[in-house]
Amino acid sequence: DGGITQSPKYLFRKEGQNVTLSCEQNLNHDAMYWYRQDPGQGLRLIYYSQIVNDFQKGDIAEGYSVSREKKESFPLTVTSAQKNPTAFYLCASSIDLGLAGFNEQFFGPGTRLTVL
Amino acid sequence: ELKVEQNPLFLSMQEGKNYTIYCNYSTTSDRLYWYRQDPGKSLESLFVLLSNGAVKQEGRLMASLDTKARLSTLHITAAVHDLSATYFCAVTLSGNTPLVFGKGTRLSVIA
Repeated sequence: DGGITQSPKYLFRKEGQNVTLSCEQNLNHDAMYWYRQDPGQGLRLIYYSQIVNDFQKGDIAEGYSVSREKKESFPLTVTSAQKNPTAFYLCASSIDLGLAGFNEQFFGPGTRLTVL
Repeated sequence: ELKVEQNPLFLSMQEGKNYTIYCNYSTTSDRLYWYRQDPGKSLESLFVLLSNGAVKQEGRLMASLDTKARLSTLHITAAVHDLSATYFCAVTLSGNTPLVFGKGTRLSVIA
């Protein structure tokens, strides 16, 4: 089955600890994205990557880091510098159809991170 | 900077009634998306609108796009309880650029 997987589904972090959220896709999509959602809020962009070995900061990148070593994988690390990391994290991917196309984004099931 | 505004943010509807959710955006774009999110779940794609005047319908939901007014609407016809969810609109400028989301409209359909 093609799709996007995220793991773990639930994650608990202690103060001062770094944690890594996994995102994998087998859709052969070029671009991948990380969004953060707080209760009752919309989605805010953390990082995105349009091609392997390249990524750009989004609106709220501080305290987060990413890597894109493989096309199908885009892990997100929440560092101890992120002061309020409790949130729902969503990974998405899209295929590059060029300027004439559109980048419908497909979302993974999400990871709920809680700081203890 | 692209900004997306939805209204209303909260909507309580009676079953069988009609209503419209509005999505305004600040910069010219002809790529608008509607998503649905159930509590605790991820986002599910509902509609992709790619040109001025585009209209798409799925069941009791109909979405339209007016690029000149920078406005999209999501119309709900004869609401049923199963439509209770949060609905997001999102806009992108071009190609594989990230989506900018509205804050969402939390819809509750009551008997």
